[in-house]
Amino acid sequence: DSGVTQTPKHLITATGQRVTLRCSPRSGDLSVYWYQQSLDQGLQFLIQYYNGEERAKGNILERFSAQQFPDLHSELNLSSLELGDSALYFCASSHLQPKGAEAFFGQGTRLTVV
Amino acid sequence: GQQVMQIPQYQHVQEGEDFTTYCNSSTTLSNIQWYKQRPGGHPVFLIQLVKSGEVKKQKRLTFQFGEAKKNSSLHITATQTTDVGTYFCAGPYNDYKLSFGAGTTVTVRA
Repeated sequence: DSGVTQTPKHLITATGQRVTLRCSPRSGDLSVYWYQQSLDQGLQFLIQYYNGEERAKGNILERFSAQQFPDLHSELNLSSLELGDSALYFCASSHLQPKGAEAFFGQGTRLTVV
Repeated sequence: GQQVMQIPQYQHVQEGEDFTTYCNSSTTLSNIQWYKQRPGGHPVFLIQLVKSGEVKKQKRLTFQFGEAKKNSSLHITATQTTDVGTYFCAGPYNDYKLSFGAGTTVTVRA
């Protein structure tokens, strides 16, 4: 158990819909990362928050947004969903400084858009 | 796009053989990390290398950080079925972003 909790584990929704994925980081971790992993693909960095502030952005679509709340949990919002958004979405958290700290991953949320 | 490149993308290994996977960065890294993702699982941290030329071992796994701190390798000896999975390297960029390579997916023939 990594200590990172993601909900829900599975999500099936229709195209055009909006969903929210939730992540609770390990106790004390200030950094939260979101990654997308499509079938047989690597980990695509979406966005990172550190202590409530957005710190780095990857190839995140404009239809996607995220935030980190004062209690450090984070949410990833995906809107106007398309079939191609079907993927495994991982949240990871890290302790200490954001640079050079190992990341601990949650179990992921498998999103299926039909 | 990816700033960390990994090769090969796939590695099919006979049980008992050795293999190496390589990771190359477009820029100098302060450190490099390796993760393993078992089929159906999530990435799990294996190790972090910080110093130029650093070599670390975990049982049959040997990790190396290049002298220029722009490349790294993972060598597995006497491959076992438990080594199946995808191995990712990752490096920090712009102080915050942890960028992962595409991974090397390892399958083992018994």
